[in-house]
Amino acid sequence: DVKVTQSSRYLVKRTGEKVFLECVQDMDHENMFWYRQDPGLGLRLIYFSYDVKMKEKGDIPEGYSVSREKKERFSLILESASTNQTSMYLCASSLFGQGEETQYFGPGTRLLVL
Amino acid sequence: DAKTTQPTSMDCAEGRAANLPCNHSTISGNEYVYWYRQIHSQGPQYIIHGLKNNETNEMASLIITEDRKSSTLILPHATLRDTAVYYCIADSGNTGKLIFGQGTTLQVKP
Repeated sequence: DVKVTQSSRYLVKRTGEKVFLECVQDMDHENMFWYRQDPGLGLRLIYFSYDVKMKEKGDIPEGYSVSREKKERFSLILESASTNQTSMYLCASSLFGQGEETQYFGPGTRLLVL
Repeated sequence: DAKTTQPTSMDCAEGRAANLPCNHSTISGNEYVYWYRQIHSQGPQYIIHGLKNNETNEMASLIITEDRKSSTLILPHATLRDTAVYYCIADSGNTGKLIFGQGTTLQVKP
């Protein structure tokens, strides 16, 4: 079974803090994704990566950056956390392949910024 | 990617089949139909996907109409643990991202 793990299930941070959310997948997937999920807004893509050291902006990249130094690990960084970044953050991975996009998700990190 | 339309909510009795419809009338020839579900406070879980033919796996069956404008996800014997939000997505698999709509909240009742 594909396993996608996220470093924390719950996190509380203060405004202005730098926040690191880590995601690790164990299936040698090329593609990795970071989403955030908010009530009424569904899942929105923040960033994705299709290879080591490669990154692409998603729909809402502002206020976030990412790092992918190793194939299995994709980090989401909030340089200076703000209260409007309080959300559920979901990481996903998928195999590279045209025509079929099956993404496997981690359990999510619920971040509260005070 | 084609837009999908799903009912906001549905109920199903435990042990009965749950049939979740999805409309994707603007789907293009290279777009697959994917189904995911999200149990409360967990990450989305992949269920099944298909292009033209009906598909079945250990979790569910997917019935796609011949014109591909709609599909139905079937959970053959729903249990309380199947209570979740079910998302239907039409995607070509070439963009690297999936568009999750609001989905259908399925409530399985004893």
